[in-house]
Amino acid sequence: GQNIDQPTEMTATEGAIVQINCTYQTSGFNGLFWYQQHAGEAPTFLSYNVLDGLEEKGRFSSFLSRSKGYSYLLLKELQMKDSASYLCAVRDWGEGSQGNLIFGKGTKLSVKP
Amino acid sequence: DADVTQTPRNRITKTGKRIMLECSQTKGHDRMYWYRQDPGLGLRLIYYSFDVKDINKGEISDGYSVSRQAQAKFSLSLESAIPNQTALYFCATSDGGRNYGYTFGSGTRLTVV
Repeated sequence: GQNIDQPTEMTATEGAIVQINCTYQTSGFNGLFWYQQHAGEAPTFLSYNVLDGLEEKGRFSSFLSRSKGYSYLLLKELQMKDSASYLCAVRDWGEGSQGNLIFGKGTKLSVKP
Repeated sequence: DADVTQTPRNRITKTGKRIMLECSQTKGHDRMYWYRQDPGLGLRLIYYSFDVKDINKGEISDGYSVSRQAQAKFSLSLESAIPNQTALYFCATSDGGRNYGYTFGSGTRLTVV
């Protein structure tokens, strides 16, 4: 079956570093996405990993280990505006999935002063 | 103009009423999706379409119907709205390419009273 797990909530301090983990089980993995979603707004694309390793984009980095079914999103130099939900999503080409994204329930990050 | 436009942005309707949510896109994508989002439950797929003649049910299609009027337009209808359909609804598009995620509309906040 398909399953994506990520923590429900996290709290961190402004200026610090936070790591949001995501584990997944799918039959036809073909890429992992991270989205940022501010309350009441649309999810917006942050990063994409399809090969093992680290992808860095400014203050945000995303890591993937396909053998472990594991990814993390690393946010550095946290700012108050980083308070949002972070959604992990896997593209699944397994039977019945047709390349659709399977979303985790999201991790709500609160950044405190 | 936004790439993916949803109307209305907010709507309050009464139980038993029929309501239509509309989505249009200028990205030229073939794939279009309707999701609902509830606190703690994440994004749940209602219906999706890969072209005008291809409509598929998602995990929570009961009580909903859709129409793909053109490549650029995908509408979601609630035939007889009920209070537990109160949620934030998102339309999303994708070109189906392996390194592309979804582009989301701004969402429709629907309240059924």
